[in-house]
Amino acid sequence: EDQVTQSPEALRLQEGESSSLNCSYTVSGLRGLFWYRQDPGKGPEFLFTLYSAGEEKEKERLKATLTKKESFLHITAPKPEDSATYLCAVQLSKTSYDKVIFGPGTSLSVIP
Amino acid sequence: SAVISQKPSRDICQRGTSLTIQCQVDSQVTMMFWYRQQPGQSLTLIATANQGSEATYESGFVIDKFPISRPNLTFSTLTVSNMSPEDSSIYLCSVGDQAQYFGPGTRLLVL
Repeated sequence: EDQVTQSPEALRLQEGESSSLNCSYTVSGLRGLFWYRQDPGKGPEFLFTLYSAGEEKEKERLKATLTKKESFLHITAPKPEDSATYLCAVQLSKTSYDKVIFGPGTSLSVIP
Repeated sequence: SAVISQKPSRDICQRGTSLTIQCQVDSQVTMMFWYRQQPGQSLTLIATANQGSEATYESGFVIDKFPISRPNLTFSTLTVSNMSPEDSSIYLCSVGDQAQYFGPGTRLLVL
């Protein structure tokens, strides 16, 4: 069964304390992996797309990396405004309509 | 990226009634997706809507409960029929061939 898991479920960081979020996936065929940020009461906001193992993408304090079985979202020197739920999603290559499966998310709180 | 709007943004409904949620995109798109996000949970795909054809429903979701219309390339509706408290969720529409772009969501509370 195609599955996406994320860890930790919740993470509290002090401002400036760097850390990483993990996304592990078990799918029969991967077309792409996506990271999203979701603020309370809003729809998910697209951050990154990764397609192949070894690929990295960066945006401000965030860097996403991809291996054959997992992805990491590294947060360097986080600020309180980085507090949000971070969602990982994988797009399957076996369907004709680009099905995307979302992980459960990691709730990040950055304390000033 | 596409700009997506949804109506209503939130609603409180009585058990047994139906609610139709509208999704409008500022550009023409082939496929639109409808998701449900239950309280404290991640997103679950309900169905994929192509213009001019029947929607494709995921396991656990049926057309009688969640009928979808897709009359043109910029608009879709999702109806939540015969609602129960278990239908209380955020309903989101999205578009995108690879990375998906989401609307703001419709918060539904069923009493």
